[in-house]
Amino acid sequence: QQPVQSPQAVILREGEDAVINCSSSKALYSVHWYRQKHGEAPVFLMILLKGGEQKGHEKISASFNEKKQQSSLYLTASQLSYSGTYFCGTGETSGSRLTFGEGTQLTVNP
Amino acid sequence: GAVVSQHPSRVICKSGTSVKIECRSLDFQATTMFWYRQFPKKSLMLMATSNEGSKATYEQGVEKDKFLINHASLTLSTLTVTSAHPEDSSFYICSARDFFSIWTGQETQYFGPGTRLLVL
Repeated sequence: QQPVQSPQAVILREGEDAVINCSSSKALYSVHWYRQKHGEAPVFLMILLKGGEQKGHEKISASFNEKKQQSSLYLTASQLSYSGTYFCGTGETSGSRLTFGEGTQLTVNP
Repeated sequence: GAVVSQHPSRVICKSGTSVKIECRSLDFQATTMFWYRQFPKKSLMLMATSNEGSKATYEQGVEKDKFLINHASLTLSTLTVTSAHPEDSSFYICSARDFFSIWTGQETQYFGPGTRLLVL
């Protein structure tokens, strides 16, 4: 079953923060975050495994709450280059295929 | 991160012809690759899982005789759209699974740049 992402879209001014959520109705082993720009393929951002860990990548970080079957992606001090559609992909077991959410369209304006 | 290539990047063909799309993992071996289809402003729809040396696993509703998948080596998977029709026009994206990515230390899926297919 497809994970649910929220919000569907968000518009920011450069320097503002945003949070994108990903919820699943199933127990998860992993959550993968990707960013896709228009007309291009998704680019891998980070992977989180069950254990409630949090990871950071420059000003982009993410957390995974396996009990709540939720993951959140945090974008701080957003830059114009952060614009794109963010997808979470969830895996139920190690090695299982990923199921992707509908995506969250993020627009960062000057 | 790891690099996955796709060829061609875009193709236009006539209705009724077949089109082959190649997906290559350039700096790692991938026993498993995935083929997705994406409609404008929509999510990634998994079509099939391509397994090296064995038959592909197709998702429900995907015609295996229409979308032929071959995973002949640990770095190459091909998708052939047979007897293409205008409704097959779409953005096709492959991904390759690196079981132990040197970039993440974990099993990670990397996407190719995609192939835009237009059937006239």
